[in-house]
Amino acid sequence: QSALTQPRSVSGSPGQSVTISCTGTSSDVGGYNYVSWYQQHPGKAPKFIIYDVSKRPSGVPDRFSGSKSGNTASLTISGLQADDEADYHCCSYAGSYWVFGGGTKLTVL
Amino acid sequence: QLQLQESGPGQVKPSETLSLTCTVSSGSISSTNSYWGWVRQPPGKGLEWIGTVHYSGRTNYNPSLKSRVTISVDTSNNQFSLKLNSVTAADTAVYYCEREVGGTSPDSWGQGTLVTVSS
Repeated sequence: QSALTQPRSVSGSPGQSVTISCTGTSSDVGGYNYVSWYQQHPGKAPKFIIYDVSKRPSGVPDRFSGSKSGNTASLTISGLQADDEADYHCCSYAGSYWVFGGGTKLTVL
Repeated sequence: QLQLQESGPGQVKPSETLSLTCTVSSGSISSTNSYWGWVRQPPGKGLEWIGTVHYSGRTNYNPSLKSRVTISVDTSNNQFSLKLNSVTAADTAVYYCEREVGGTSPDSWGQGTLVTVSS
């Protein structure tokens, strides 16, 4: 099984919006509405920020939003803040297990 | 608030077995809707889901690791464990223990522990 495909890096200025893509196949992203996103600061554990494609756990700001079209899921972060600089990982159900993307480094310029 | 804490050796020799334990606090490992699992992250790389165990003992493993992995639960001590046998340098990673609830992906994580495979 292959990891989901994410861009290695994206960047944006404070206040702007950025979108991170996550491409899979019909066996994972395209086949289920079970896509999650995680934020990971250096040396820290991942933080759960989006689940079931577009739902936010309690306490996650509505600046973070998720969507999906076909085999590609997306995470959009609006109103970029300095603390948003981190790695972002997508995750999808694949029938009997979870598969992650390779991670995307977000740089806030 | 639920807390997860990994423990175990930080170094394992090639061909031997990696063993880690996760202690759950401020929550019960016997929660019906919770699954307890492991995710790893090689240095500088992405995350890889290893598998989960339910308090009933039911397990689910990543097909790519299934032949080498055993995850077990100890309800009396509110702990669960990972064993990965026949390790190689490719198994060097930060290993996180995690919880999954209601069919969602991991929502709570331990702080992670680095395990290096080296002679």
